[in-house]
This record gives sequence, C-alpha cells and structure tokens, in this order.
Amino acid sequence: DIQMTQSPSSLSASVGDRVTITCRASQGITTYLAWFQQRPGKAPKSLIYAASRLQSGVPSKFSGSGSGTDFTLTITSLQPEDFATYYCQQYNSFPFTFGGGTKVEI
Amino acid sequence: QVQLQESGPGLVKPSETLSLTCTVSGGPISSYYWSWIRQPPGKGLEWIGYFYIYNSGNNNYNPSLESRVTISVDTSKNQFSLKLSSVTAADTAVYYCARGNSHEYSYYFDSWGQGTLVTVSS
Repeated sequence: DIQMTQSPSSLSASVGDRVTITCRASQGITTYLAWFQQRPGKAPKSLIYAASRLQSGVPSKFSGSGSGTDFTLTITSLQPEDFATYYCQQYNSFPFTFGGGTKVEI
Repeated sequence: QVQLQESGPGLVKPSETLSLTCTVSGGPISSYYWSWIRQPPGKGLEWIGYFYIYNSGNNNYNPSLESRVTISVDTSKNQFSLKLSSVTAADTAVYYCARGNSHEYSYYFDSWGQGTLVTVSS
C-alpha cells in the first residue's frame, strides 16, 4: 500500500493568515492526488483533484501543487469556516489511501 | 447537483453482517465509480472499495477487508449497497458513500454522502 504522510498534524493560525499543508507519498503517484476538507461532525468535502485542479464550486483561495511524491495544499486569507481538518488521498493505485489529516485551529 | 444519502441500521451485533444502502439523486448511477469509505470515531479515513457498472460490472476492495466485503449496485433504484460480514467492534465507524469521477485511468471522489454511524455492540 502507498503510505501518505501529512505534516504538520495540526497547526494554529489566525483569520487572514495563509497556511500550507504538505503531503508526501511513499512512492511516486504522478498527480493522482486529492485534497478534502472535513469540518467537525460533517462529511469530507472534495476540494482538489489531480493535485492542482479545483473541484467545481471551490473558491480559488484553495490551491494545490506537486507531482511525484511531494504535494502541498495552500489556503489563503483564512476565514472562520476554513478551520477544519484537511486530508490528502492518493488514487494512483489500489487500495486508495488517505493521509492522517492536518487540523487547522485558531 | 448529485446528492448521496446513506441508510441502514445504526447498531449491529458482533459476528453479524453490516448492510448499508446509498441512494443517489440528481444524477445517473451509470458512468461513475461508487465507493464506500469509513472513519472510526476520532480517526482517519479508510477506503473500503468500489463498484463500476460498465464492463459487466467490476469492483475492487481494500485487501484489509476484501474477504468480508461486497459492494453492489441496483440501477433500477439508483442505489448501491455495502455488506460487511462478521463484524467486530473494530468495524464501528461512520460510513460514507461517495461518487468517483474518471481521471485518466483512475477516479477521484467528487461527491460524498453525509455519513452514517454504525456501532458494533451486543
């Protein structure tokens, strides 16, 4: 199985900040990488696929980059609704696997 | 816009079979990959498997669960289901259904159900 490692596991930020979350795959996955946002008690919401493509309706404050084994999710101008847990997920090969999550806290 | 809704028992006894259904509305059940994903309380996400209608129907399951899992689709009802046999307390989780959209030779999740908590306990 491909292991997905996110860092940091949590971070503190303020409204208006820019944050970056990293995700590393244990082997190359080209750009078969997705990012999700999960607010407490809610289902995950799809943000990005193919490492950098925004899902329909997702604001451009979210951006993704990377290829191979190293990826980043950047969120600009943090708003209260952005405080959540973010997961990366590889879909290069089965079984699909998720990172452990990064909790963005105030 | 497509919507997914999970349904099924919230409590299952150990050694029995967990059965959930996902009803898809606002879009066809064909042409997509239909998956189940679970999340134990306070933990991360685990992909369970998928079903794809075309090519006479094909599926792929997480090897960690493969011996106990069946995912099937009922096109007449626009639903797909999950059966997980011989459950234990370790199968207690929120179960999500999700739609997979094609990306080259694979697929990515673009829509999720709200999730349903299933507790395994006697």
